[in-house]
Amino acid sequence: GNSVTQMEGPVTLSEEAFLTINCTYTATGYPSLFWYVQYPGEGLQLLLKATKADDKGSNKGFEATYRKETTSFHLEKGSVQVSDSAVYFCALSVFAGANSKLTFGKGITLSVRP
Amino acid sequence: GAGVSQSPRYKVAKRGQDVALRCDPISGHVSLFWYQQALGQGPEFLTYFQNEAQLDKSGLPSDRFFAERPEGSVSTLKIQRTQQEDSAVYLCASSLLTGNEQYFGPGTRLTVT
Repeated sequence: GNSVTQMEGPVTLSEEAFLTINCTYTATGYPSLFWYVQYPGEGLQLLLKATKADDKGSNKGFEATYRKETTSFHLEKGSVQVSDSAVYFCALSVFAGANSKLTFGKGITLSVRP
Repeated sequence: GAGVSQSPRYKVAKRGQDVALRCDPISGHVSLFWYQQALGQGPEFLTYFQNEAQLDKSGLPSDRFFAERPEGSVSTLKIQRTQQEDSAVYLCASSLLTGNEQYFGPGTRLTVT
């Protein structure tokens, strides 16, 4: 089956620190990979995605590269801000027939202190 | 424009009661998904509709869970004879077409006492 494994949290960083959140996956078929973010009091939002090997998704200073050889999609940001404090979910989708349901990791809480 | 809306936002039910959770997808979105998110976990897939057709219900945890989308727009997730383990946030997502980006609603937090 399909599964996503995220590093254990929570993560606390100082503003302007470098961020890496690890994500690995197993999938039957060829998945698309996603990072979703949930800010306090808000719904899940797509942060970035990549649909094939070696693609790099990027948004709001965050980046993640689809690595097929290591089955990974690690999220990075060079300089985090307090406003990046949120819960981050790695997810995959394998298009199977007419269904593109998402499989999520457990999520990791990021807190950025001033 | 309007996003995905869900109601109620919070629901407290006594064990054994039936509940109905509503999802209003983005207008014109063909695909609709329900997910269940337990505390401290990622969302887990429950069921999927394409228009009014329920094409996948493999994630529904028991026959107490039932979902419908009779006119291909609004969807309702019904849970009969609620149990404590049903306590979770229920998320609805819609996408324009299969395989497109899914847009999530704010969720309904169900607490069964």
